[in-house]
Amino acid sequence: SQTIHQWPATLVQPVGSPLSLECTVEGTSNPNLYWYRQAAGRGLQLLFYSVGIGQISSEVPQNLSASRPQDRQFILSSKKLLLSDSGFYLCAWSQGGGPPDTQYFGPGTRLTVL
Amino acid sequence: GQNIDQPTEMTATEGAIVQINCTYQTSGFNGLFWYQQHAGEAPTFLSYNVLDGLEEKGRFSSFLSRSKGYSYLLLKELQMKDSASYLCASRLDSNYQLIWGAGTKLIIKP
Repeated sequence: SQTIHQWPATLVQPVGSPLSLECTVEGTSNPNLYWYRQAAGRGLQLLFYSVGIGQISSEVPQNLSASRPQDRQFILSSKKLLLSDSGFYLCAWSQGGGPPDTQYFGPGTRLTVL
Repeated sequence: GQNIDQPTEMTATEGAIVQINCTYQTSGFNGLFWYQQHAGEAPTFLSYNVLDGLEEKGRFSSFLSRSKGYSYLLLKELQMKDSASYLCASRLDSNYQLIWGAGTKLIIKP
């Protein structure tokens, strides 16, 4: 069966510090991968998605970036965090190689920027 | 444009039935998802409708009318653990994204 991991679970960072969040998927190959952010009491905002290694599509221009160095690894980064980067970051996967399918979410990382 | 609307919050009584509505205006529509999200947790998949009609899964059912751009999630025999946010999302046939509603927070009272 497929599982998706995210770490860390919680993170408190000062403004201007760098960020690296990691997501890995097990039990599937060539998944579509997604990074979302959810502000408190709000819906899901798609940040990046990837359909393959090295292929990243950005949905929201900002100080965040994403990379996919391996088939089942997706990394979200920032060089300098802003207060507005606080939120709940969710990684998700769906079955790749064809039309979009059900997305399954990792446990999330709660980021607080102070 | 792409838009999905859901009520912000609903309240229901334990043991009762509640219907959560979702209307969408999305070009290239190709299916509608419902997810459940408990506070502080990740969303979990509940149901998917691509054809008109009702899909039943135990206490939960989901309905879709493509001609009306409308879906609902029906929860029966409500339990306290059903207190959560319910997100609807529209699947498009042109890319790998889902268009998400803001979610409906469901509060269950004893």
